[in-house]
Amino acid sequence: GNSVTQMEGPVTLSEEAFLTINCTYTATGYPSLFWYVQYPGEGLQLLLKATKADDKGSNKGFEATYRKETTSFHLEKGSVQVSDSAVYFCALSDTGGTGGFKTIFGAGTRLFVKA
Amino acid sequence: DAGVIQSPRHEVTEMGQEVTLRCKPISGHNSLFWYRQTMMRGLELLIYFNNNVPIDDSGMPEDRFSAKMPNASFSTLKIQPSEPRDSAVYFCASSLTGGSNQPQHFGDGTRLSIL
Repeated sequence: GNSVTQMEGPVTLSEEAFLTINCTYTATGYPSLFWYVQYPGEGLQLLLKATKADDKGSNKGFEATYRKETTSFHLEKGSVQVSDSAVYFCALSDTGGTGGFKTIFGAGTRLFVKA
Repeated sequence: DAGVIQSPRHEVTEMGQEVTLRCKPISGHNSLFWYRQTMMRGLELLIYFNNNVPIDDSGMPEDRFSAKMPNASFSTLKIQPSEPRDSAVYFCASSLTGGSNQPQHFGDGTRLSIL
């Protein structure tokens, strides 16, 4: 079946450091890939997405490239800010079978950014 | 634009009581998802609906849990009787059904505490 594996946290960085959060997936079809972010007390919100191999999703300085050959979708940001402290979820979406599409979420990676 | 609206935001009740969580999806979205989030188990998909029809309820933990979607603008998740281990944050999310590239839009969740 489909699955998503992301690096365990917490990840602690100083402001302006480079961020990488690793994500790999297994899928039988051709899924779409997503990164979601969750701030304290809120629901998950879409950060970026990529729908086919070699696509790059980007938003708010974050980027991730859909790598089919390595089944990866690593999240990167060149210079993190304190306001980026949150939990980040990698996810894939594929056919749900009898209708609709089902999203599989990774376990989440907590990021702390120190001033 | 109004996002996904969940109520109540917080619920504290004694074990054995019935609990009803409510969700109003984004207008025009035809897929709706209920999730449970805990520190121990992360984010778990409980059930999802497509065009008001339950498609996959394999994540519903027990018969004590039930979900309905009587129309396109309203869904409920009910727990009867409630138990302390049901304490968690419950999220509702909605999306357009049109392909796996559609992201999910989450509400801010209901924080449920069963004493």
